Amino acid sequence: TQLLEQSPQFLSIQEGENLTVYCNSSSVFSSLQWYRQEPGEGPVLLVTVVTGGEVKKLKRLTFQFGDARKDSSLHITAAQTGDTGLYLCAGAASNDYKLSFGAGTTVTVRA
Amino acid sequence: ETGVTQTPRHLVMGMTNKKSLKCEQHLGHNAMYWYKQSAKKPLELMFVYSLEERVENNSVPSRFSPECPNSSHLFLHLHTLQPEDSALYLCASSQDRNPSYEQYFGPGTRLTVT
Repeated sequence: TQLLEQSPQFLSIQEGENLTVYCNSSSVFSSLQWYRQEPGEGPVLLVTVVTGGEVKKLKRLTFQFGDARKDSSLHITAAQTGDTGLYLCAGAASNDYKLSFGAGTTVTVRA
Repeated sequence: ETGVTQTPRHLVMGMTNKKSLKCEQHLGHNAMYWYKQSAKKPLELMFVYSLEERVENNSVPSRFSPECPNSSHLFLHLHTLQPEDSALYLCASSQDRNPSYEQYFGPGTRLTVT
């Protein structure tokens, strides 16, 4: 069973600050996804990364997939209150049809 | 609005009750999923259906019984649950069960077992 560890578990920052959350594993993934979940809602996909070393940008969000495809990071620049939520990473091995999720990082952006 | 709806949104049930959770997707997807989300724990995959056939049962106790009557609807029948079964139950769908396809989640049913 793959284990995805996310850190930190909780993060509280002031609006305008930057933040980075991490997703690490000892397993190799064929693809890795990042989701954001807001209170009372289900997770919503933000991005999928598939190539080792890949960097994807989504406005103020930058996603990086590690060279060895075992880890990933999400960096938010100039955070806004609307970025508040639970950030989940999820990955699948090349020979596995199951998506494994991390426990998530709860991000709170204060006004 | 993700195109996946779940009812009820909240459910309180006793350990001897029988209830059902309903999920409906309006996306024309072929795969549907049930997940359990507990506080501070990773999402746990419970069941996967592909083209109405159950293809994954992730060691889920028999007190949870899924049903997929057609590709748009998924049910989770509950009976004689335990307090530790209290959690958010999420339904999701995707075009194909291959995990490279995006999964669209419903808002979940918040279940409390008393």
